[in-house]
Amino acid sequence: AQKITQTQPGMFVQEKEAVTLDCTYDTSDQSYGLFWYKQPSSGEMIFLIYQGSYDEQNATEGRYSLNFQKARKSANLVISASQLGDSAMYFCAMRPLGTGGFKTIFGAGTRLFVKA
Amino acid sequence: DSGVTQTPKHLITATGQRVTLRCSPRSGDLSVYWYQQSLDQGLQFLIQYYNGEERAKGNILERFSAQQFPDLHSELNLSSLELGDSALYFCASSTLAGGEDTQYFGPGTRLTVL
Repeated sequence: AQKITQTQPGMFVQEKEAVTLDCTYDTSDQSYGLFWYKQPSSGEMIFLIYQGSYDEQNATEGRYSLNFQKARKSANLVISASQLGDSAMYFCAMRPLGTGGFKTIFGAGTRLFVKA
Repeated sequence: DSGVTQTPKHLITATGQRVTLRCSPRSGDLSVYWYQQSLDQGLQFLIQYYNGEERAKGNILERFSAQQFPDLHSELNLSSLELGDSALYFCASSTLAGGEDTQYFGPGTRLTVL
C-alpha cells in the first residue's frame, strides 16, 4: 500500500537559515510523482515543487529544493534562507504516474515556525 | 491566487441535512479533484473527474457524490450530514489527468455540521 510519512510534527528555524523537512514514502509503483504543498494559516494549499521518480536531478524552485533519494525512498524539502512568511504547514504528497486517474496521498504534515 | 474558485467559503448546517459545494477549475483545466481535510483524518482524496467522467475514487462515503458538468465546473454533494463530516473541503484542478500534472487548489469550503 502507498504511504507517506512526515515524522516531524513541528519544526523551528531561525530566520535566514536553511531548514529540511523530512518525507519518506512507500509505494510499489515503478513511476510516481512527489509533491510538496504549503498551507498557511489562511488555509489555502499552495503548490511548491514536484519531483518525478524518473528525474535524475533534484528539483529546485527558487528557495525550495527537493532532496530526492530514491533508494532510501525519501523526498525531503529544503527551504533556504527562511523567511517569516514561510511559517506554515507543509505537506508531502505522492501519486502514481500515467495517463489514467490516480489517487494522491498526503502525509500528516509538518508545521514550520520561523523565528525572527 | 491559484485560479480555482470554490463557493461557498463557509457553510454551517445541521445533522441530517444536504449541502452542495461548488468548484470552478482554472481556465483550460480538464481535471477536477475533491479532497477532505479534517483534524483526525488529515487530507484525504475523495474523487477525480476528467472532462466530465469519473477517473479515480478515493475514500468517498456513499452519502457523498460528485459530478463534473459540460462547462467543467464540479459539484460535491454531501447528504445525511453527520458531525464528523465537519471539515475543510478542497477542490483542485489540473490540465490533464496524468499523475505528473500539478494540482492547483482552491481556497476551500469550511463545512461545520452542528
